[in-house]
Amino acid sequence: GAVVSQHPSRVICKSGTSVKIECRSLDFQATTMFWYRQFPKKSLMLMATSNEGSKATYEQGVEKDKFLINHASLTLSTLTVTSAHPEDSSFYICSARDVGRKSYNEQFFGPGTRLTVL
Amino acid sequence: AQSVTQPDIHITVSEGASLELRCNYSYGATPYLFWYVQSPGQGLQLLLKYFSGDTLVQGIKGFEAEFKRSQSSFNLRKPSVHWSDAAEYFCAVGSYNNNDMRFGAGTRLTVKP
Repeated sequence: GAVVSQHPSRVICKSGTSVKIECRSLDFQATTMFWYRQFPKKSLMLMATSNEGSKATYEQGVEKDKFLINHASLTLSTLTVTSAHPEDSSFYICSARDVGRKSYNEQFFGPGTRLTVL
Repeated sequence: AQSVTQPDIHITVSEGASLELRCNYSYGATPYLFWYVQSPGQGLQLLLKYFSGDTLVQGIKGFEAEFKRSQSSFNLRKPSVHWSDAAEYFCAVGSYNNNDMRFGAGTRLTVKP
């Protein structure tokens, strides 16, 4: 149980285009999902917290107009990188909290999406 | 604000040898501590977690970690490393509601044959 998927696993796009990444909780409901960015050989940096039915909360320094987050249902959150540029190339990982669990709200991580902007 | 320090960027051990990865945290309240492993190009897999109770925590793949409040540490150990353990290891600290999970910089483990 507690499986999180991401689609696509890797994407290559041209500079100036927009890319959408999906994060799905497959076997549980997630009112809260998180988006992280990981640079090569670096740690994960929290970009934003996505709450179902409301606006995402962005970490300081993250451009909300650049990284659009939509959490339209209890099992799906999307991250859209708008007008992508080569510096947006990175590994994006999402995670989700299982609100149905009575224990501590642990985060379950997706497999990540490798974005390369040419 | 909470933070996590993993002092060792890269560790190399021989297969069959013991392993200890260090993690120190800074947190004002009761910490919730985690160790994750990441293989190249993959997401994170939870190895173990500590919330309360017994300070020695057993995880998957033969890993264990010990919480030492006096030293603000949560070191990961394995008595005998296998070649398949080569990966990046992340220590993380969070709060009860886990909206503010923070990760260490990671330790890359190389296993020599």
